[in-house]
Amino acid sequence: EVQLVESGGGLVQPGGSLRLSCGASGFSFSDYWMSWVRQAPGKGPEWVANINQDGGETDYVDSVKGRFTISRDNAKNSLYLQMNSLRVEDTAVYYCARDMTFRFDYWGQGTLVTVSS
Amino acid sequence: DIQMTQSPSSLSASVGDRVTITCQASQGINNYLNWYQQRPGKAPKLLIYDASNLETGVPSRFRGGGSGTDFTFTISSLQPEDVATYYCQQYDNLPPTFGQGTKLEIK
Repeated sequence: EVQLVESGGGLVQPGGSLRLSCGASGFSFSDYWMSWVRQAPGKGPEWVANINQDGGETDYVDSVKGRFTISRDNAKNSLYLQMNSLRVEDTAVYYCARDMTFRFDYWGQGTLVTVSS
Repeated sequence: DIQMTQSPSSLSASVGDRVTITCQASQGINNYLNWYQQRPGKAPKLLIYDASNLETGVPSRFRGGGSGTDFTFTISSLQPEDVATYYCQQYDNLPPTFGQGTKLEIK
């Protein structure tokens, strides 16, 4: 059974940093692209970033470019999102998702990031 | 970015009813359109990919259609467990973008 489990969310002040993690199991993690997708309260999902199988290719939505960094450790079956210079508008539930060319076929349960003073 | 507009934004129907949601893209997206179901407090779940293909394990009462800029999502016979918010998502152009959602309730 495919499982994705996010962790690392919490309350952070504007301008602060946070690192999210996603542990994967039940599939060959190193064979798949992975994405982070976020959902602000009461809004639709928003794709944030993705990364290819070996970590050599990444892409980001414009609003997080230069502030967020996606990475992975295939030996640990883990995906990460380093978030710096956080803004109030980054407040959301962050999901990791298996990415089949932007068909997100498995999602984690999400981790809540709240940016507030 | 491509804008995805869903209608209606909310919908109330009876068990057994046929329900249809529409999704319009701000430009043509070929058939690069997915549909997701999000039950309250849960993560989105992929139901339909490439406009009309049913994801493995998804009941056959769910159907997707359309092409170009106009797409539909239909539940042929509404069940109580279908209470959820439904989202369309395009991936013809980066970044992939989602609609604002259609909240479906039971009368």
